[in-house]
Amino acid sequence: EIVLTQSPATLSLSPGERATLSCGASQSVSSSYLAWYQQKPGLAPRLLIYDASSRATGIPDRFSGSGSGTDFTLTISRLEPEDFAVYYCQQYGSSPSITFGQGTRLEIK
Amino acid sequence: EVQLVESGGGLVQPGGSLRLSCAASGFTFSSYSMNWVRQAPGKGLEWVSYISSSSSTIYYADSVKGRFTISRDNAKNSLYLQMNSLRDEDTAVYYCARVGPGMWNAFDIWGQGTMVTVSS
Repeated sequence: EIVLTQSPATLSLSPGERATLSCGASQSVSSSYLAWYQQKPGLAPRLLIYDASSRATGIPDRFSGSGSGTDFTLTISRLEPEDFAVYYCQQYGSSPSITFGQGTRLEIK
Repeated sequence: EVQLVESGGGLVQPGGSLRLSCAASGFTFSSYSMNWVRQAPGKGLEWVSYISSSSSTIYYADSVKGRFTISRDNAKNSLYLQMNSLRDEDTAVYYCARVGPGMWNAFDIWGQGTMVTVSS
């Protein structure tokens, strides 16, 4: 099973700043099958990025994903108030096992 | 509107059973693979099970293998999760999630979740 480790656990930033979230994999992620999700309290997760760098439908272009192999990054170029939430990475290239990272909490400084 | 709506959650004693349902609308359900994902209170996301569009391929997480059964009825646009021999650690919100078109196994549509509490 591929273990995903997200860092930092908590990131404190102000609106307008740039956010960089990391996701490290214990083994290479096949075909860059890595996704990022945003989750707000009491709500279901929302898909932001799939295949490491493709934005999902309706996702603003301030969200971008990059990386390959074992190191992946989600970047939010300029934080908006609605971006403060928990972010999860997910790998889906290692069938049949799908795994999520433990999450990064993005909080307002 | 594309939508997934879960139901069937509730309080059950350890060792008991529960069947979750997920009703799909707004898209051609029979064309999409589906998954169940759970989230224990205050914790992260855990993938539970996968089923292909025709039910020909099914996968389970090791933590539920032999106890949970995923199934679907494409004529009824519905996904199911039969949960037997429930344990305290199965307490969680259970989400059904659609595999996005061309996304291999990333989940583009999620339901609102249904809470399962296993407690005596």
